[in-house]
Amino acid sequence: QKEVEQNSGPLSVPEGAIASLNCTYSDRGSQSFFWYRQYSGKSPELIMSIYSNGDKEDGRFTAQLNKASQYVSLLIRDSQPSDSATYLCAVNIGLHFGNEKLTFGTGTRLTIIP
Amino acid sequence: DVKVTQSSRYLVKRTGEKVFLECVQDMDHENMFWYRQDPGLGLRLIYFSYDVKMKEKGDIPEGYSVSREKKERFSLILESASTNQTSMYLCASRELAGNTGELFFGEGSRLTVL
Repeated sequence: QKEVEQNSGPLSVPEGAIASLNCTYSDRGSQSFFWYRQYSGKSPELIMSIYSNGDKEDGRFTAQLNKASQYVSLLIRDSQPSDSATYLCAVNIGLHFGNEKLTFGTGTRLTIIP
Repeated sequence: DVKVTQSSRYLVKRTGEKVFLECVQDMDHENMFWYRQDPGLGLRLIYFSYDVKMKEKGDIPEGYSVSREKKERFSLILESASTNQTSMYLCASRELAGNTGELFFGEGSRLTVL
């Protein structure tokens, strides 16, 4: 089983709709979860982090975490063409504090259709 | 402004050559990482370092070694390059204190091994 799994897509969403991206992870001890966005030809950049069960909102982005189900998701409201990118889910797999490795899923390619 | 600099954006090497990929960060971060990114496989961790002269194997360390003699510099070494090491290599750094998990990435080094 992969440590972090995502649907690779591509996922196509009409402009203005809600895009929903999902991720599951295998390590029950993981405490920190992240969503990175990567535009074609560019490096990943952090857009959301979440540490507690529930929802965390930042502008049009909402991250959701359910540790019991080992599931984390990202919702993008009012999708814009500029949201078209690959979204990477990342999870801190802990060895011990300060020595965690950040493991990425393979990414979901999102296309917003005007 | 945050900066992670990778010495070469594009390299072409021959099978069997020794390859050095250099990464320098100017943020006084404790943690540094080397990933490779391949289509369909996402970002895979090669090695990481949580302090000067310290290193930990990631998920795919075979065929690679690293060096961290100074806090700001983390080098990836391919002792004898092979064609299956053709890839995009991404360096990243992260501060330890607080450990928000945000990785700051360099622009990447695209290596082609012929």
